[in-house]
Amino acid sequence: DIQMTQSPSSLSASVGDRVTITCRASQGISKWLAWYQQKPEEGPRLLIYATSTLQSGVPSRFSGSGSGTDFTLTISSLQPEDFATYYCQQYSTYPLTFGGGTKVEIK
Amino acid sequence: QVQLLQSGAEFKKPGSSVKVSCKASGGTFDSYALTWVRQAPGQGPEWMGGIIPIFGTTNYAQKFQDRVTITADESSDTAYMDLTSLRSEDTAVYYCARGPLRKVIRPTMTIDYFYYMDVWGRGTTVTVSS
Repeated sequence: DIQMTQSPSSLSASVGDRVTITCRASQGISKWLAWYQQKPEEGPRLLIYATSTLQSGVPSRFSGSGSGTDFTLTISSLQPEDFATYYCQQYSTYPLTFGGGTKVEIK
Repeated sequence: QVQLLQSGAEFKKPGSSVKVSCKASGGTFDSYALTWVRQAPGQGPEWMGGIIPIFGTTNYAQKFQDRVTITADESSDTAYMDLTSLRSEDTAVYYCARGPLRKVIRPTMTIDYFYYMDVWGRGTTVTVSS
């Protein structure tokens, strides 16, 4: 199975900050990576797929990059509604696997 | 805009089974996968398996291979996840999600499909306790 490792597991940031979250795959997955946002008591929400393609309706302050084994999700200017947990997911091969999550908290 | 409507919360005894449904509203499954992901309290999402209704193909995570069955009724745009031999560790929120397909043609000419999840249901809480 491909292991997805996210870092950091949590971070504290202020509104307006630039935030970067990293996701590393245990083997190459080309560009087949998605990012999700999850708020308490809600299901995940797709932000980005194919490493860098923004899902319809997602603000442009979210962006993704990377390829192979190393990927990043960047929030260019953190907004109050962005405080949540973020997960990466590979869909290069079965089983589909998720990272352990990064919780973005208010500083 | 399609929505996925899941059945209500379930309370089950260890050793029993649970069947959760997921109905597409405002759209159909068309050429998508329908997948099930669970999330235990305080944990990240865990993919259980999925079905591609137009092909009738299923894939399961090995961890659940012996206990889960995912089916779909295209006539009613409803998918089901059946989990047997429940234990306390199965206590979780179970989500259905729609998956746009990524087609891969192998050198052997076999075809595989993989997917991310673009539309999610609200989740069904399954509690397993004696």
